[in-house]
Amino acid sequence: EVRLVESGGGLVRPGESLRLSCAGSGFTFKTTWMNWVRQAPGKGLEWVGRIKDKSDGGTTDYAASVKGRFTISRDDSKGTLYLQMSGLKSEDTAMYYCSTSRHFWWWGQGTLVTVSS
Amino acid sequence: QSVLTQPPSVSAAPGQKVSISCSGSSSNIGNNYVSWYQQLPGTAPKLLIYENNKRPSGIPDRFSGSKSGTSATLGITGLQTGDEADYYCGAWDSSLSAWVFGGGTKLTVL
Repeated sequence: EVRLVESGGGLVRPGESLRLSCAGSGFTFKTTWMNWVRQAPGKGLEWVGRIKDKSDGGTTDYAASVKGRFTISRDDSKGTLYLQMSGLKSEDTAMYYCSTSRHFWWWGQGTLVTVSS
Repeated sequence: QSVLTQPPSVSAAPGQKVSISCSGSSSNIGNNYVSWYQQLPGTAPKLLIYENNKRPSGIPDRFSGSKSGTSATLGITGLQTGDEADYYCGAWDSSLSAWVFGGGTKLTVL
């Protein structure tokens, strides 16, 4: 059974940093592209970014809204995906989901990030 | 304003069929695969359709996807109350080098 468990969310002040984690199991993590997707309260889905697997270069792509502030990384030995967020703004308040593959095949249950003073 | 345009809402009676449209451009739908996602209230999204018209195992054949030019359509037949959800289309946008989602369509089964 595929399982994705996000963690690390919480309440932070504008300008602060936060790191989210996504632990994957039940699939071959190291050969899987991974994504972060967020959803602001009452709003639609917004892609945050992705990281390819090592065989595809392990490169990252980001949404324009987070480029330069957010960094996606992965530790294949731990089967874990990360999202390092810095310079957080109120508009980054959202549920953050990790999802597998190019098609967003599997999704975690999300972790809530609230940016407020 | 989403890059992919969906109607905000659609509705139909149980047992009927409904279509949800997703309009884009040559940089996304026109030259890349389309996926569809279902998000039931209070839950994470779920993949319904990938590569325009393929269903993951476990997805009923009541759900179908099609694409023509720069538009795509999700079809749902034999509507059930359990189908009430938000539906999102998505595609890679080659100009933006980013994945884009539609704004979402709320399906109400009357």
